[in-house]
Amino acid sequence: AQSVTQLDSQVPVFEEAPVELRCNYSSSVSVYLFWYVQYPNQGLQLLLKYLSGSTLVKGINGFEAEFNKSQTSFHLRKPSVHISDTAEYFCAVSVHSGNTPLVFGKGTRLSVIA
Amino acid sequence: EAGVAQSPRYKIIEKRQSVAFWCNPISGHATLYWYQQILGQGPKLLIQFQNNGVVDDSQLPKDRFSAERLKGVDSTLKIQPAKLEDSAVYLCASSLSGGTRNEQFFGPGTRLTVL
Repeated sequence: AQSVTQLDSQVPVFEEAPVELRCNYSSSVSVYLFWYVQYPNQGLQLLLKYLSGSTLVKGINGFEAEFNKSQTSFHLRKPSVHISDTAEYFCAVSVHSGNTPLVFGKGTRLSVIA
Repeated sequence: EAGVAQSPRYKIIEKRQSVAFWCNPISGHATLYWYQQILGQGPKLLIQFQNNGVVDDSQLPKDRFSAERLKGVDSTLKIQPAKLEDSAVYLCASSLSGGTRNEQFFGPGTRLTVL
């Protein structure tokens, strides 16, 4: 079975500073990896996904993530955050075959401080 | 393009009562998912439909939860009777098809409080 660990439950950061949200996964088979963002009282929105190919994936709102197979990680980064980036961020994994469900981490709350 | 619609947005009930949630997926999306998101945790899949057939309901507590997707479009999730631990946000999502490569689009969720 797959699992996802988000190492930080909360990350406070000043506006215009860089940020990294960490995600590690466990799986015995090849996986797809996703980052979702959830703004207050809203559903989840896909930020970016890794399916295959280049290990550096660029997403919406200036976010990017790098797939590192040897370290089983998929950390999310942004070089300069804005107040509007304040939200909950979820890392998720699914396997390549069939209709297996997304498995989510517990989330990281990013708080951007003015 | 309209997104995934869910209603109601909020519901407060007492334990042992019944409750139902409704979801209307994006037009043309064959696959529909119901997730449970308990406070402080990530979403957990309850049930997945492909058209009007169930693909995965292995994590659905079938003694109290039920779901249907008549005609392969709208879906209803029911809890009967509710327990305190059912307090959560119930998210509905849809995708064009069920392959794990396909993006899932989420609705705003229904926040259930069981007293």
